[in-house]
Amino acid sequence: GDSVTQMEGPVTLSEEAFLTINCTYTATGYPSLFWYVQYPGEGLQLLLKATKADDKGSNKGFEATYRKETTSFHLEKGSVQVSDSAVYFCAGRDDKIIFGKGTRLHILP
Amino acid sequence: EAQVTQNPRYLITVTGKKLTVTCSQNMNHEYMSWYRQDPGLGLRQIYYSMNVEATDKGDVPEGYKVSRKEKRNFPLILESPSPNQTSLYFCASSPGSGASYGYTFGSGTRLTVV
Repeated sequence: GDSVTQMEGPVTLSEEAFLTINCTYTATGYPSLFWYVQYPGEGLQLLLKATKADDKGSNKGFEATYRKETTSFHLEKGSVQVSDSAVYFCAGRDDKIIFGKGTRLHILP
Repeated sequence: EAQVTQNPRYLITVTGKKLTVTCSQNMNHEYMSWYRQDPGLGLRQIYYSMNVEATDKGDVPEGYKVSRKEKRNFPLILESPSPNQTSLYFCASSPGSGASYGYTFGSGTRLTVV
């Protein structure tokens, strides 16, 4: 069946470091791909999405490109801030939505 | 403000005492869903609804019921809660069931069953 795999955390970085969180998907069709962010004590918020191959989603300095050839949707940010500390979920949606297990990110000042 | 509202935020109850967690959205979304979030297991779908009077089981429906009598409301019912239903619950909605739609999530309900 369809699945989404993302790198396990926690990931700890210093402020202003470059961030990559890997996400790969396995699907029989062509899902839309999403990144969600969950801040402490809150629900998930949609961060960005891409609906077809080679689309790039971007928001708040985060970017991810839908790579059909590698079935990947890695999340990147050029310079992270302490306020980016959260749990990040990759997800794919075709006939149903599949979430990865989440990656906890800690940014140190 | 467009939002999904869940109540209560926190709930402690005893085994076997029926409870309802409410969920309401103000965006006229057709699709609504309930998830539970547990450490190491991520998010698992309990039930979903594609429209009024149309509900279906997700991956972990045992011990739960839902109803969708109005478009905006999608309550989650635990008729006889057990300790293994202690979890963090999220309601979510999207404009439709199409692949390109992202979810709007509620703030969560932390349920403890003792």
